Amino acid sequence: DIQMTQSPSSVSASVGDRVTITCRASQGISSWLAWYQQKPGKAPKLLIYAASSLQSGVPSRFSGSGSGTDFTLTISSLQPEDFATYYCQQANSFPSTFGQGTRLEIK
Amino acid sequence: EVQLVESGGGLVKPGGSLRLSCAASGFTFSSYSMNWVRQAPGKGLEWVSSISSSSSYIYYADSVKGRFTISRDNAKNSLYLQMNSLRAEDTAVYYCAREMARTYYMDVWGKGTTVTVSS
Repeated sequence: DIQMTQSPSSVSASVGDRVTITCRASQGISSWLAWYQQKPGKAPKLLIYAASSLQSGVPSRFSGSGSGTDFTLTISSLQPEDFATYYCQQANSFPSTFGQGTRLEIK
Repeated sequence: EVQLVESGGGLVKPGGSLRLSCAASGFTFSSYSMNWVRQAPGKGLEWVSSISSSSSYIYYADSVKGRFTISRDNAKNSLYLQMNSLRAEDTAVYYCAREMARTYYMDVWGKGTTVTVSS
């Protein structure tokens, strides 16, 4: 199975900050990567797919980049509703696997 | 409105069985592959099982293979997960999720149903 490793595991930031979360795959996955946001007690929400395609309805302050093994999720200007846990997911090969999550906390 | 609603979770003893259901609405259910994804308390997301639109292709995570059975009824717009020989490590919130066409991306999720395996 492809292992997905996110860094950092947690990050503290302030409203208005720019934040970057990294996801690394244990082998190349081309651009088959998604990012999800999950708030406490809620279901995950798809933000980005195909590494950089913004899901419909997701604010443009979210962006994704990368290919191969290294990927990033960037939030350009944090809003109060962005504090949540973020997961990457590889969709290149079976079984699909998720990263361990990055918790984004308010500083 | 596109919606998925899970049900059937609960408390069950180790070795017991449970059947989860997921009711879909607001989209053409029969056109989409569907998945079950679980999340143990305080842990990350784990893909459990998937089924293609016509049930031709079915896949399981190694952790549940031989114990869980996924199925669907397109006439009833419903997805199911039959869980047998349950273990403590199966304790989790179980989500059903719609798969984007010909990918493993999951673009619609239910709110989840909680399964607790404990004596």
